[in-house]
Amino acid sequence: DIQMTQSPSSLSAYVGDRVTITCRASQSISNYLNWYQQKPGKAPKLLIYTASTLHSGVPSRFSGSGSGTDFTLTISGLQPEDFASYYCQETDSTLTFGGGTKVEIK
Amino acid sequence: EVQLVESGGGLVKPGGSLRLSCAASGFTFSDYSMNWVRQAPGKGLELVSSINSNSAYTYYADSVKGRFTISRDNANNSLYLQMNSLRVEDTAVYYCARWTTFIGAAGGGHTHWGQGNLVTVSS
Repeated sequence: DIQMTQSPSSLSAYVGDRVTITCRASQSISNYLNWYQQKPGKAPKLLIYTASTLHSGVPSRFSGSGSGTDFTLTISGLQPEDFASYYCQETDSTLTFGGGTKVEIK
Repeated sequence: EVQLVESGGGLVKPGGSLRLSCAASGFTFSDYSMNWVRQAPGKGLELVSSINSNSAYTYYADSVKGRFTISRDNANNSLYLQMNSLRVEDTAVYYCARWTTFIGAAGGGHTHWGQGNLVTVSS
């Protein structure tokens, strides 16, 4: 099975900061990588698919990059509504999620 | 508007059974693969089970294989998860999620989710 490792597990940032979250796959998954955002008590929302394609309605401050085993999610200009948990997911095999990254207010 | 509404959760003793249901509306249910994703308290997301549009293909996580059964009724726009031999570690919020394959792009994503349904396994 493919393992997905996210880092960091949590981070603190100010509104307006640029934030980068990384996700590493245990084997190459080409660009079969999704990112989700989840707020407390709510269902996850799809942000990005195929590593870099923004899902409909997602603000352009979110971007994704990477291929093979290493991927990043970048939020350029963190907004108050972006404080949440973020999960990567490989879509090459069994749809395994990463462990998550919690973005908190500094 | 796409809607997924789960029901059937609750408190059950270890070794017991529960059946989760997910009522779908706002889209052609029979065109889409569906999934159950769970989240233990304070933990991350785990894909529990998947079923394709015509029920020909199913997938189970190792953690539930042999105990859980996914099924669907396309005539009634419903998805089910029969959970038997429940364990304390099955305690989680269970989400019903629609899988969408994007036209012109490889891969897909869970584009629509239910509100989640808490299953608590405790004596």
